[in-house]
Order: sequence, then C-alpha cells, then structure tokens
Amino acid sequence: GNSVTQMEGPVTLSEEAFLTINCTYTATGYPSLFWYVQYPGEGLQLLLKATKADDKGSNKGFEATYRKETTSFHLEKGSVQVSDSAVYFCARAAGNTPLVFGKGTRLSVIA
Amino acid sequence: DAGVIQSPRHEVTEMGQEVTLRCKPISGHNSLFWYRQTMMRGLELLIYFNNNVPIDDSGMPEDRFSAKMPNASFSTLKIQPSEPRDSAVYFCASSFGQGYGYTFGSGTRLTVV
Repeated sequence: GNSVTQMEGPVTLSEEAFLTINCTYTATGYPSLFWYVQYPGEGLQLLLKATKADDKGSNKGFEATYRKETTSFHLEKGSVQVSDSAVYFCARAAGNTPLVFGKGTRLSVIA
Repeated sequence: DAGVIQSPRHEVTEMGQEVTLRCKPISGHNSLFWYRQTMMRGLELLIYFNNNVPIDDSGMPEDRFSAKMPNASFSTLKIQPSEPRDSAVYFCASSFGQGYGYTFGSGTRLTVV
C-alpha cells in the first residue's frame, strides 16, 4: 500500500552539526513529496516539497532530493541551530487521496 | 492572508459535555481536513471534505464525533458526549490540491476531565 517511513527519533545534535532525517515511501505512480515542521505548540508548517523525480526542495537551509530509484526523500541541513528543534514529518501525495504522513522525527539541538 | 483559523485555541471541559471545534479555511482552498494528534497515536486523519462535501470519514473514531462544512469558509468538529480519551490537539488543514500541500491551523488543545 501507500506509506511513508521515516527514521525514529528523538535525534539530538549539537549546534552546527550536520542533520539527516531519512524518509522512504511506497506509492504507485510518482507522488509529490513534502517535509513539514512542527514547532512546539504550533501546527505543522510546510518546509519544502518536490513534485517529480530528481527535484530538490529547499528552504531555510534544509534540502531534500526526490530519489525515484531509492524511493527516498531524505531531509538534510548542513549546520543546525537551536531554533531548528522541532518535529519533522515526511509526507507523500498521490492522486486525489489525502497526504500520507510519516510518524514524525523529533529533533533537539543543543548549544 | 490570515491562514487557517481555528477556535478555540484551548478547551477544557467535563466528561459528558458537548464540544465544538471551529475552523475557517484559507479562501479559495477547496479541500478541508480534520486531524487529531496525540503522543500515543501521532497524527490521525479524522475526516476530509472536497468542495464542502464529506469524502471520507473512516477516521472518525466513534459516532460521538461528527463534522460539518455548511459552506466553503467554515467547518465544525463536534464531540458529544466528550470523554477523557478524546483529549488531544485537533488540527484543521486546508488545501488547493494535493500537489500543493496543506496549510494547517494552530490547533485546538482539548482537555476532557
């Protein structure tokens, strides 16, 4: 079936460390892929997206590349900040069905 | 654009009482979604509407839950009677189409005591 699997957290990093949060998906066809971020006490916010293979979404220093061959959309950032502490959700869309979200990965960045 | 507006932000109610959560989607968005988020179960889709019509309510946990969308600018999620296990953060989201992603509201934190 259609699903999204992302690495379990929590992930704890020191400030300026490199971040990778893995995400893989299963779907028929070529779904649009998204990363959402949820800061404490807030709703989910769209962080970046990619709509076709080899597209790279980027925003606020975060990047993710749509890899059809590995069905992956890993989130990366070269140098994390304390303000990046949040829960990150990978999601995929396909056709007219609602977005399918991963379970979320909690990131804590310590100074 | 003020984004997706939810009210109230916080609601504390006693078991057995009726609770109504409200949502105003972004103007022009034709899909609306209600989600529930808890530590135990994560983010769950309860129901969604396309063009004000309920499409899939299979995520609604019980008959105590109901949702309406009387027009394109307003939706409600009602729980009657409420129970302590309904305590969660309820999010509303709207979308112009699946490929555009969703815009979420700030949520309503419901506590049933």
